Amino acid sequence: GENVEQHPSTLSVQEGDSAVIKCTYSDSASNYFPWYKQELGKRPQLIIDIRSNVGEKKDQRIAVTLNKTAKHFSLHITETQPEDSAVYFCAVGTDKLIFGTGTRLQVFP
Amino acid sequence: DTEVTQTPKHLVMGMTNKKSLKCEQHMGHRAMYWYKQKAKKPPELMFVYSYEKLSINESVPSRFSPECPNSSLLNLHLHALQPEDSALYLCASSQGTGLVKNIQYFGAGTRLSVL
Repeated sequence: GENVEQHPSTLSVQEGDSAVIKCTYSDSASNYFPWYKQELGKRPQLIIDIRSNVGEKKDQRIAVTLNKTAKHFSLHITETQPEDSAVYFCAVGTDKLIFGTGTRLQVFP
Repeated sequence: DTEVTQTPKHLVMGMTNKKSLKCEQHMGHRAMYWYKQKAKKPPELMFVYSYEKLSINESVPSRFSPECPNSSLLNLHLHALQPEDSALYLCASSQGTGLVKNIQYFGAGTRLSVL
């Protein structure tokens, strides 16, 4: 079955810096790659997604890049703000979503 | 409206109790999901319903019994649970289960404690 690895497990940055989280996957048939943000005690919320026919997608301060050959994709957050602090999960999908292990991002003022 | 509503928000039950978790969406989505999330872990898929039929069961113990009475409702019936079943149970829905319809929207979850 699909195996999704996510790194780093924790990430601390200064406000205004950039943050990058990377995920690798094993099943070359996977075709959908969302990123979810989960604040403490809250539901996972989709922040950006990319499909296998696209290499990069951007939404304001957030971008995702996909390398299908290498089977990895990354989340990029620029100009980080304290409210970006949360746990971020990547996921890989075909008929179901398999989640990565999560990255706890802390943005210090 | 991207709202998925779960009730109750919190549930405490004994190992001999029978209880049910409920999930509702009115977005016209035809796929609904149950996930289990332990603290500091990712959501783990339990069940998928597509067009009101169970399409995926991730080898979940029979003490968890899902039910989809109609396209807007999803239940999870609980019986004879173990303390290790304590977790946040998340419901999600999506327009469908194919590639272009796979965006999943999550409910706020039911935090379950089994004593």
